[in-house]
Amino acid sequence: GAVVSQHPSRVICKSGTSVKIECRSLDFQATTMFWYRQFPKKSLMLMATSNEGSKATYEQGVEKDKFLINHASLTLSTLTVTSAHPEDSSFYICSARDKTPYNTEAFFGQGTRLTVV
Amino acid sequence: AQKITQTQPGMFVQEKEAVTLDCTYDTSDQSYGLFWYKQPSSGEMIFLIYQGSYDEQNATEGRYSLNFQKARKSANLVISASQLGDSAMYFCAPRGQGNLIFGKGTKLSVKP
Repeated sequence: GAVVSQHPSRVICKSGTSVKIECRSLDFQATTMFWYRQFPKKSLMLMATSNEGSKATYEQGVEKDKFLINHASLTLSTLTVTSAHPEDSSFYICSARDKTPYNTEAFFGQGTRLTVV
Repeated sequence: AQKITQTQPGMFVQEKEAVTLDCTYDTSDQSYGLFWYKQPSSGEMIFLIYQGSYDEQNATEGRYSLNFQKARKSANLVISASQLGDSAMYFCAPRGQGNLIFGKGTKLSVKP
């Protein structure tokens, strides 16, 4: 199956700093990438959808200025958590797909566990 | 809008036995797909099985099969011959024209 690589897998940062998470599709062109957040023992919550070359579409309640998403190429999307605070500590996971038909599975990255201290 | 219900927050099954994980959904899309993902404690999402809404036969993939009842809008996952490595969170995710929307998940624990 297709491979999506997410980096880093774990990051610890100080409060007030920014953290960038990368999501790469290694063997296919991802026209659409999704960013999810997962709190402990909870389901995945969609944060935003990014299409290559255009602005990301954010879900209701997600701060655009807080979570910056860039999808500059067909193989790379980045999520930057700006001015991170302890409440931003969470598990972030990206997924990518290369076609729009409904029967196309989404391929997930390995996830990033962010801890803000 | 889509709504997904996984009514079993936690399930236990004896090793080598079969287990059914429930999933009901509500969608207005005429054509849609149903995905099941497994998430072990490491966090990554692993694709298990897919069912198309117009597929006449229930999907099967190794030890995984779907009990798809379109009229009832349910797509229960059946895992046969459970293994210890099956212990994980399981998410049902329908998808129509939009994105994958995940249910709350079911935590499956396989007992030796």
